[in-house]
Amino acid sequence: DIVMTQSPDSLAVSLGERATINCKSSQSVSYSSNNKNYVAWYQQRAGQPPKLLIYWASTRESGVPDRFRGSGSGTDFTLTINSLQAEDVAVYYCQHYFVTPWTFGQGTKVEIK
Amino acid sequence: QVQLQESGPGLVKPSETLSLTCTVSGDSITSYFWSWIRQSPGKGLEWIGYIYYRGSTNYNPSLESRVTISVDTSKNQFSLTLTSVTAADSAIYYCAREQQDNWFDYWGQGILVTVSS
Repeated sequence: DIVMTQSPDSLAVSLGERATINCKSSQSVSYSSNNKNYVAWYQQRAGQPPKLLIYWASTRESGVPDRFRGSGSGTDFTLTINSLQAEDVAVYYCQHYFVTPWTFGQGTKVEIK
Repeated sequence: QVQLQESGPGLVKPSETLSLTCTVSGDSITSYFWSWIRQSPGKGLEWIGYIYYRGSTNYNPSLESRVTISVDTSKNQFSLTLTSVTAADSAIYYCAREQQDNWFDYWGQGILVTVSS
């Protein structure tokens, strides 16, 4: 199985500042033939199911604010939250869909400093 | 608006069979893939498997010997069966719509299943 490892496990950011979450896969989850990166990001608020934020590593789902930005390729991916808002307090997960079984990172908890 | 709702017992005895159903509204189940995912404190988010409406399935090898996912297109539902459960199977079980390219864009609210005698 491909292992997705996120860092840090948690971070505290001041309102209006930037949060950066990293996700590293144990093998490449990108195809050079189609230039696609098989990574999605989810936000899970307390007591709620995960919510899709980003797919193809950098494509925002419809309705997701543009302060959420995904980037990366190969084995290294990043979710950046610009200008953190109070409603962004949540746990964030990366997921690969390169080959089954799809697997998720362990999660990164984002709090307000 | 697509909605998914899990249903089933919240308590299952060890060695018995866990059975859950997901009812889909706002979309026909005769499109996309439909998945089960579980979440536990110890193992985080774990993809269990998916089914396509025509019946083809793909399971996580870690659970494949105990898992069956089935679909009932007449009821717009799909179901999960997990046999020989242990305490390690205690988790919140989510059903989700899986896009053709395999990310999950709609999730149910989840159902907590506890395995205990």
